[in-house]
Amino acid sequence: AQSVSQHNHHVILSEAASLELGCNYSYGGTVNLFWYVQYPGQHLQLLLKYFSGDPLVKGIKGFEAEFIKSKFSFNLRKPSVQWSDTAEYFCAVNPYNQGGKLIFGQGTELSVKP
Amino acid sequence: DAGVIQSPRHEVTEMGQEVTLRCKPISGHDYLFWYRQTMMRGLELLIYFNNNVPIDDSGMPEDRFSAKMPNASFSTLKIQPSEPRDSAVYFCASSPGQVPLPGYTFGSGTRLTVV
Repeated sequence: AQSVSQHNHHVILSEAASLELGCNYSYGGTVNLFWYVQYPGQHLQLLLKYFSGDPLVKGIKGFEAEFIKSKFSFNLRKPSVQWSDTAEYFCAVNPYNQGGKLIFGQGTELSVKP
Repeated sequence: DAGVIQSPRHEVTEMGQEVTLRCKPISGHDYLFWYRQTMMRGLELLIYFNNNVPIDDSGMPEDRFSAKMPNASFSTLKIQPSEPRDSAVYFCASSPGQVPLPGYTFGSGTRLTVV
């Protein structure tokens, strides 16, 4: 079945550690890719998105993601996390043949220890 | 722009009662989405509209759930009768209709508790 997979359910890091959250999708064809963040008790906010061009995209708050087409992956990275990055992170895919529909992964909870 | 506006923010109701959740999308957005978020199932797409027309309601759990979009600036999600397992945070989101899809803007959600 077509899906979006986030392999890490819960990640715990210390401040200043580097972060990489995995995201893989199983849709063939052209896709648009997104990462959203949900801070505790808040709604989802867009971190970054990829449509085409440079596969390395930069988002807000120092986050970046790399699209690797051959691996159907769109991993999120940050060189040095802060306590304020504690949140849940969602990868999402918009397959071109599904109109406006975004398919979300299950989310990865990130806890950053001060 | 005030963003996507949902009401109420919190709703506590008794099992068997009717619950209506409301959403006002961003002006000019062609798409409106209803999601449900729980610890067990994560984010689930319930239904979405394009230009006020329901496009995909395959995520609506059962006949107790219904959604309408009578005009471009208002949508409702109704649960009748409500059950404790409906307890969740319900998010509304909207998006412009351009291609490629620029992403959604989410509302603050309605936290529903059915006791």
